[in-house]
Amino acid sequence: QVQLQESGPGLVKPSETLSLTCTVSGGSISSYYWSWIRQPPGKGLEWIGDISYSGSTNYNPSLKSRVTISVDTSKNQFSLKLSSVTAADTAVYYCAKERRDGHNYFDYWGQGTLVTVSS
Amino acid sequence: QSALTQPASVSGSPGQSITISCTGTSSDVGGYNYVSWYQQHPGKAPKLMIYDVSKRPSGVSNRFSGSKSGNTASLTISGLQAEDEADYYCSSYTSSNTWVFGGGTKLTVL
Repeated sequence: QVQLQESGPGLVKPSETLSLTCTVSGGSISSYYWSWIRQPPGKGLEWIGDISYSGSTNYNPSLKSRVTISVDTSKNQFSLKLSSVTAADTAVYYCAKERRDGHNYFDYWGQGTLVTVSS
Repeated sequence: QSALTQPASVSGSPGQSITISCTGTSSDVGGYNYVSWYQQHPGKAPKLMIYDVSKRPSGVSNRFSGSKSGNTASLTISGLQAEDEADYYCSSYTSSNTWVFGGGTKLTVL
């Protein structure tokens, strides 16, 4: 059973860079695609972007200029960096495993981590 | 990319059936059979309920079913139970190799 765990600072100052890491256990990161998804308090889900085990990325066009997703297969981790954050970036951030092999969906999710943008 | 359109809320009594719609475009919902549905209880991570429009993962009750017509997908829950009260989100793969979610629907079991 694959498990995902987000980690990183819970508080980030405006204009700084939000950095989160997702650690994958119970399976190898060296297959499938891996996503970041966020949910502002009381609002819906927003897909941020994803990365394949080989490092190929796709990003939400609305966030593309500020997002970088990377993968470290040696540590079975992938990471998110979101630059120039504002209060609008306050959200629960989830990492998730994708199926993208003719059956496209998110089958495993982390528990989520709340990141608050505030001075 | 614009979010898929879902009703903000639906409600039903125990034992009844409800349907939640999810409307997109020919670049997402209408273009692929890659619509999935997620259930989210307060404070919890989303849980996959339906994938590939109408397939159920192992362990999900057969009271949950999915369908699609044109640019609109639907999730139907039959025999409503109190535990079904949650937020439901649809998602679709898109022609840009990205994903888009619906705005979410709050299901209330009366």
